[in-house]
Amino acid sequence: DIQMTQSPSSLSASVGDRVTITCRASQNISKVLNWFQQKAGRAPKLLIYSQSNLQSGVPSRFSGSGSWTQFSLTINSLQPEDFAAYYCQQGYSSPYTFGQGTKLEIK
Amino acid sequence: EVQLVQSGAAVKKPGESLQISCKGSGYSFTAYWIGWVRQLPGKGLEWMGIIYPDDSDTRYSPSFEGQVTISADKSISTAYLQWSSLKASDTAIYYCARHLSGDWYMDHWGQGTLVTVSS
Repeated sequence: DIQMTQSPSSLSASVGDRVTITCRASQNISKVLNWFQQKAGRAPKLLIYSQSNLQSGVPSRFSGSGSWTQFSLTINSLQPEDFAAYYCQQGYSSPYTFGQGTKLEIK
Repeated sequence: EVQLVQSGAAVKKPGESLQISCKGSGYSFTAYWIGWVRQLPGKGLEWMGIIYPDDSDTRYSPSFEGQVTISADKSISTAYLQWSSLKASDTAIYYCARHLSGDWYMDHWGQGTLVTVSS
């Protein structure tokens, strides 16, 4: 299985900050990397697919980059509704594993 | 509008069997893979497996193969996740999600089904 490792596991930030979450794959996954947001008590929501493609309806302050084994999710100008958990997921080979998650909290 | 609606919460005893469901609407159910994701209490997301409803081609994560059965009834646009003998460690929220093949991302999710296994 491909292992996905996110860092940091948790992060405190303020409204208006810019934050970056990184995701490392245990082997080359090209650009087949997706990002999800999960708010407490809710189902996950697709934010970005195929490394950098914004899902319809997702604000442009979210962006994704990277390739091969190193990827990042950047959120510009944090808004109150962005405080949630974030997960990366590789779609390169089955099983389509997730990272362990990053919890973004209000400072 | 694409919707995935899951069955309600279940409370079971260890050793009992269970089947939970996920009904798709608003799209061609047989044209997309649909799969299941587990979330243990307070923990992250774990990909369990997927099925292609048109021909019932199924793929499992090695971590879940033999532990659960994924099936689908295309005549009623419904996917299922089944246990033959539940354990306390199966207590979790289970989500169904539509998968886009190629880059294998999940673009629509069900609301989740809480399964509690306790004696």
